[in-house]
Amino acid sequence: DSGVTQTPKHLITATGQRVTLRCSPRSGDLSVYWYQQSLDQGLQFLIQYYNGEERAKGNILERFSAQQFPDLHSELNLSSLELGDSALYFCASSPKTSGYNEQFFGPGTRLTVL
Amino acid sequence: ILNVEQSPQSLHVQEGDSTNFTCSFPSSNFYALHWYRWETAKSPEALFVMTLNGDEKKKGRISATLNTKEGYSYLYIKGSQPEDSATYLCASHSGTYKYIFGTGTRLKVLA
Repeated sequence: DSGVTQTPKHLITATGQRVTLRCSPRSGDLSVYWYQQSLDQGLQFLIQYYNGEERAKGNILERFSAQQFPDLHSELNLSSLELGDSALYFCASSPKTSGYNEQFFGPGTRLTVL
Repeated sequence: ILNVEQSPQSLHVQEGDSTNFTCSFPSSNFYALHWYRWETAKSPEALFVMTLNGDEKKKGRISATLNTKEGYSYLYIKGSQPEDSATYLCASHSGTYKYIFGTGTRLKVLA
């Protein structure tokens, strides 16, 4: 158990809908990262937050947005969902923003768009 | 190299064999190289974070080396065990704080 929690574990929804994925980092970690694992692709970095502020953006679509709250939990919002958004979404956390820190991954949220 | 490439894609070895795989990454703007172990139905688990050219790190039977000038890292497993079966991922971290992952090497250790 990494100490990172993600809810829900599974989510099934329809095209065009909007969903919110939630992540709680390990106690004391200030950085949160979001990743997407699609069927035919490797792990894709989406976005990083550090202590409430956006730190880095990867391959995140405009239909997706994220935020980190004062209690350091983070939410990833996915809107106008398409079939291709079906994937496993991981959240990870680390103590600081430095790339020298290990990242601790949560169990993931599996999103299925029908 | 613009992407992170890992080889081989998959590997089957016998229990007790030693094995190694390669991660190639962009050498410009290099900041750190991360290795992860990812078992089926679980989430990735950090193995090493490597930053300096010539770095060597070890955790039990697993070790890794880093060459930042030529842009590659090797992961070695000595005396492979069935519980080592997993996908081994590397990720390059550039100065822009973005992480680029390879597609992984799937290792299967046969008892």
